[in-house]
Amino acid sequence: GAGVSQSPSNKVTEKGKDVELRCDPISGHTALYWYRQSLGQGLEFLIYFQGNSAPDKSGLPSDRFSAERTGGSVSTLTIQRTQQEDSAVYLCASSEGTVNTEAFFGQGTRLTVV
Amino acid sequence: AQSVAQPEDQVNVAEGNPLTVKCTYSVSGNPYLFWYVQYPNRGLQFLLKYITGDNLVKGSYGFEAEFNKSQTSFHLKKPSALVSDSALYFCAVRRGSYIPTFGRGTSLIVHP
Repeated sequence: GAGVSQSPSNKVTEKGKDVELRCDPISGHTALYWYRQSLGQGLEFLIYFQGNSAPDKSGLPSDRFSAERTGGSVSTLTIQRTQQEDSAVYLCASSEGTVNTEAFFGQGTRLTVV
Repeated sequence: AQSVAQPEDQVNVAEGNPLTVKCTYSVSGNPYLFWYVQYPNRGLQFLLKYITGDNLVKGSYGFEAEFNKSQTSFHLKKPSALVSDSALYFCAVRRGSYIPTFGRGTSLIVHP
């Protein structure tokens, strides 16, 4: 497709379970970002991939969070042992690799931990 | 470090009136500034950006923004608001860091 695709769109999971969120970026975009959006909050940066460089993981809130990007394309964000405070909308975005280009966002995955 | 402030959580305006959504930034050097809009249950959509050149930038849906270096501001404006403009608006800055920093967002409500 032409845009950034995220799946699933909604995920309800029990506390303590692991979840995987998927992001398909726009073809040819070398940069990929994950953000978290909680109710009433702004966008919290989680992790950034640029080409084949080591990812910037500085925004990951705990070691329960990890992400990978395979083949410079699809990315998976994994949350282990989910907690209720992990409930949020997880947004993925991609862009061309230059600093003056805009990011294109997927519609997000709404995660609810019960 | 780079940061963005959107001082208003909510802006209310009557349809047909001009609207302004405020954004100020802090960054070392010349900034790259962006505005995005988020409709309910959707991701963010790019509206416009300032990179260099003319301080008045025009974007999608009739929106424009003015870069003011002395006031470190990048306010979003539209001459005549529509009810369909009601949404959440985010300002973002990049400079040096390739990671955009976003403001907390401003909810725009346009009343019929």
